[in-house]
Amino acid sequence: DPKIIQKPKYLVAVTGSEKILICEQYLGHNAMYWYRQSAKKPLEFMFSYSYQKLMDNQTASSRFQPQSSKKNHLDLQITALKPDDSATYFCASSQEGLGGIGQLYFGEGSKLTVL
Amino acid sequence: QQQVRQSSQSLTVWEGETAILNCSYENSAFDYFPWYQQFPGEGPALLIAIRSVSDKKEDGRFTIFFNKREKNLSLHIKDSQPGDSATYFCAARGGNYQLIWGSGTKLIIKP
Repeated sequence: DPKIIQKPKYLVAVTGSEKILICEQYLGHNAMYWYRQSAKKPLEFMFSYSYQKLMDNQTASSRFQPQSSKKNHLDLQITALKPDDSATYFCASSQEGLGGIGQLYFGEGSKLTVL
Repeated sequence: QQQVRQSSQSLTVWEGETAILNCSYENSAFDYFPWYQQFPGEGPALLIAIRSVSDKKEDGRFTIFFNKREKNLSLHIKDSQPGDSATYFCAARGGNYQLIWGSGTKLIIKP
């Protein structure tokens, strides 16, 4: 059974619309992340959350907004979609400790295509 | 500026050979270097990792060789098999405990 559930697996959107990518993790981890993968940037860090608080944001655009309603949830809202946003978005989690982040566990990704 | 660099975008080797994937980094403060393996349609998964206090880490057919002075490391896959065909990401942990990722090497094992 997958321990990190991402929904939907595939989605198609029109330019200018808004979408929400869902992520739930059942590993009991206290840190969650969003990454983006496209042909241009193989693996790009976007956000990190720890205990539901934003720790790091490497995304320049405010069109990307993470939302954490529960400890094991980290959704990603994307507004005013552009074709350049087409990518696979990966949610990940880890158990933070004194030594920093532990092993990252990734979900299977949500592949977004913006027409 | 790319802080973690993987020298090859792709690499093809024959089944049974040793595949060698190279990685270099710029910041001497990096202290932990994981390699992640990604199959098509899946997220990356941790394969093997090394800390900067070691110069070698072995796990079955996978070995990391680490050279702190030269700031480079390599992943050796011994007796490579078609099932090892995947994209391999080298990463490094920085001072703020975030991972800095390389751009990945797509490995193809020919039977």
